[in-house]
Amino acid sequence: TQLLEQSPQFLSIQEGENLTVYCNSSSVFSSLQWYRQEPGEGPVLLVTVVTGGEVKKLKRLTFQFGDARKDSSLHITAAQPGDTGLYLCAGRDSNYQLIWGAGTKLIIKP
Amino acid sequence: NAGVTQTPKFRILKIGQSMTLQCAQDMNHNYMYWYRQDPGMGLKLIYYSVGAGITDKGEVPNGYNVSRSTTEDFPLRLELAAPSQTSVYFCASRPGGSSEKLFFGSGTQLSVL
Repeated sequence: TQLLEQSPQFLSIQEGENLTVYCNSSSVFSSLQWYRQEPGEGPVLLVTVVTGGEVKKLKRLTFQFGDARKDSSLHITAAQPGDTGLYLCAGRDSNYQLIWGAGTKLIIKP
Repeated sequence: NAGVTQTPKFRILKIGQSMTLQCAQDMNHNYMYWYRQDPGMGLKLIYYSVGAGITDKGEVPNGYNVSRSTTEDFPLRLELAAPSQTSVYFCASRPGGSSEKLFFGSGTQLSVL
């Protein structure tokens, strides 16, 4: 069974701080997606990374795909209360199935 | 565009009852999916469809059924509801081809008591 492990499971920080959350696996993925989910809503896609070593930036969010395409990280600079949510990663495996991590619950306190 | 619409938003069922969770998308997407989300767990795929008239089992299909008679609609049927089916259910769609972006509905929170 392929697993995508996300860490930490829960993170609560003050507004203005920086943070990094991780998505790790022993399996190789052809692509990896990051979603943000707010309470009572479905996940919304933030980014898709497809190339080993790829770095994508979305305003204050920086996404990196590991060189071996087994792991990814999300770094948020100067976190804001609007960044609060559940961050999910999902990797596309060799059978073209989407494997989901359990998520990191992020709370940014004003 | 409304995107992906799910109804109802909340539902409480008694053990053994049946119900249908509705999902409709207005984006003409070929691919549609049903997931369940349990606390502390990743999304689990129940069923999916690659087009009208075609459905296939996902990771956790037992206790559920689906149909896809039109491109727009993808209802999920629960027969003989069990407490283990208490969960939040999400429907999602994507165009297909090279686009991997999933569009999700806002979910149905189901409790089986």
